[in-house]
Amino acid sequence: SQQGEEDPQALSIQEGENATMNCSYKTSINNLQWYRQNSGRGLVHLILIRSNEREKHSGRLRVTLDTSKKSSSLLITASRAADTASYFCATDPRMDSSYKLIFGSGTRLLVRP
Amino acid sequence: EAQVTQNPRYLITVTGKKLTVTCSQNMNHEYMSWYRQDPGLGLRQIYYSMNVEVTDKGDVPEGYKVSRKEKRNFPLILESPSPNQTSLYFCASSGQRLAKPGELFFGEGSRLTVL
Repeated sequence: SQQGEEDPQALSIQEGENATMNCSYKTSINNLQWYRQNSGRGLVHLILIRSNEREKHSGRLRVTLDTSKKSSSLLITASRAADTASYFCATDPRMDSSYKLIFGSGTRLLVRP
Repeated sequence: EAQVTQNPRYLITVTGKKLTVTCSQNMNHEYMSWYRQDPGLGLRQIYYSMNVEVTDKGDVPEGYKVSRKEKRNFPLILESPSPNQTSLYFCASSGQRLAKPGELFFGEGSRLTVL
């Protein structure tokens, strides 16, 4: 079953603008991660935020986590054409005894030059 | 260079012809996993392994087998492939030493078509 759902499904912006993607999930989590996937390629880990953290930064990336709303957002500032990719959130369910990350269906980001 | 290597990257086969997709990682990771990616369905876990000789089912294990005889290798076996197994497959590993996996390192994917 899918735990995370990204919103929007697709986003098109101009180079230099900020891009915001949201992720909602259903159950309590240990951590939430964001991944990037260039078309047809493997996923690349971007950032991990733990359930006791509210905000985390990495370069042009800013991730927030609101456990009361079961949601997270990924902000990419000053976007570049090279940021064009699909972005996925992945959750580590707290009550799940198996060892897995559950991925959402992703947001496709297009950054126009 | 730290990496997860999958082979083959592309494969077209016919229904019922057994095939194996290999996965190897050079990071000495304990945790390895297989996912399939289908349009509109995101990534779904097939099997995972916490360590050598320890494997367990994910969300969609039907029609697949795995083995973990060595720490670095985690092959995915399709004993009798069917067209609904046409998909993009990813192997991933993690070196998280605690119970739960942390950051996953992904291979480049194996695109499988079953006719």
